[in-house]
Amino acid sequence: NAGVTQTPKFRILKIGQSMTLQCTQDMNHNYMYWYRQDPGMGLKLIYYSVGAGITDKGEVPNGYNVSRSTTEDFPLRLELAAPSQTSVYFCASASGEISYNEQFFGPGTRLTVL
Amino acid sequence: QKEVEQDPGPLSVPEGAIVSLNCTYSNSAFQYFMWYRQYSRKGPELLMYTYSSGNKEDGSFTAQVDKSSKYISLFIRDSQPSDSATYLCAMSAAGNKLTFGGGTRVLVKP
Repeated sequence: NAGVTQTPKFRILKIGQSMTLQCTQDMNHNYMYWYRQDPGMGLKLIYYSVGAGITDKGEVPNGYNVSRSTTEDFPLRLELAAPSQTSVYFCASASGEISYNEQFFGPGTRLTVL
Repeated sequence: QKEVEQDPGPLSVPEGAIVSLNCTYSNSAFQYFMWYRQYSRKGPELLMYTYSSGNKEDGSFTAQVDKSSKYISLFIRDSQPSDSATYLCAMSAAGNKLTFGGGTRVLVKP
């Protein structure tokens, strides 16, 4: 199993550009999450999904959009990139079948907006 | 005030020392408590979890939860250079969403 994979690994965007961060998991997990991690700030939840076709906002959703058309994929869309979106983005998945719902993380995408 | 507070460190210790990490929180609904380890330029991975109050031991790691004080701890015994990483506490009320602390960077020197 590859687990959770994310592409691209790195990206530099200009202000106002758009891009999609890809996330795929091969563990047949129902739950998927997008976080951003700023230095010393821990992980902030952007959006999450409890199954295909169902998404919900997290703590910091402004400037982002998601979709979940399949169990495996959970892409994150940035529209009109701003310098405040410079961060490391992590995708995670969880089965939802155990009480503490262990989350498995991808390797991250480092995004710089200039 | 943040919902989960964690000292950012860095915490530098000699090899073989005991590492003590802790988090405080304000939401009394939290009942699942986790510690994730994150190596540099990698995604976090679950190290330990505890449900409600109590202690849990796993190898050289011990996790403690004191819900009455809203305080959780992680101890690493006989620390090794390979334990150098950022340790993130995370908490959940119902298991589906986690609230993370800011992480503590630990450096174990040979």
